[in-house]
Amino acid sequence: QKEVEQNSGPLSVPEGAIASLNCTYSDRGSQSFFWYRQYSGKSPELIMSIYSNGDKEDGRFTAQLNKASQYVSLLIRDSQPSDSATYLCAVERGGATNKLIFGTGTLLAVQP
Amino acid sequence: GAGVSQTPSNKVTEKGKYVELRCDPISGHTALYWYRQSLGQGPEFLIYFQGTGAADDSGLPNDRFFAVRPEGSVSTLKIQRTERGDSAVYLCASSRDTTYEQYFGPGTRLTVT
Repeated sequence: QKEVEQNSGPLSVPEGAIASLNCTYSDRGSQSFFWYRQYSGKSPELIMSIYSNGDKEDGRFTAQLNKASQYVSLLIRDSQPSDSATYLCAVERGGATNKLIFGTGTLLAVQP
Repeated sequence: GAGVSQTPSNKVTEKGKYVELRCDPISGHTALYWYRQSLGQGPEFLIYFQGTGAADDSGLPNDRFFAVRPEGSVSTLKIQRTERGDSAVYLCASSRDTTYEQYFGPGTRLTVT
């Protein structure tokens, strides 16, 4: 079992729809969770961080965390073609270290 | 303000050669991280520095890889006797503190021929 798992996609949604991206992790000691967006040929760009159970909203983005189920999700409302990218889920390893463990990413394609 | 910068942006080298990759973190960020990303994969942790010291180097694949951060700011990742399997994008990230979000630089694409 991978430490951080994401569906590789592609996830295709029409413009204006809600895109839902999911991530599960295996280390119950993890405390910090991040979503990065990565355009093709570019480096990862931090878009959301979440540390507590529940929802965290920032503009069109909502991150959801459920530590009991070891599940993190990202919702993108009113999806735009410019949102088309790979979305990487990253989990901070629990314990003394603060390295990030990344999933392989989900490719999102927003169709105009 | 200025983000994380990395040089060179691209590096092509022959198998067996030595390479150095440089990272300049965001001003004031004390924590610095190196990751490596292969095609179709997420970034893979290599090493992180808190200040001048390597706090965790557990991700370095073998002793051909070494990194330094002598003055607590700029870091250099050094790879000896490069192999074709070392070809990847090497990413550097920094954070204000080890408990804060990590921000990535543009990466160095290393190609070993």
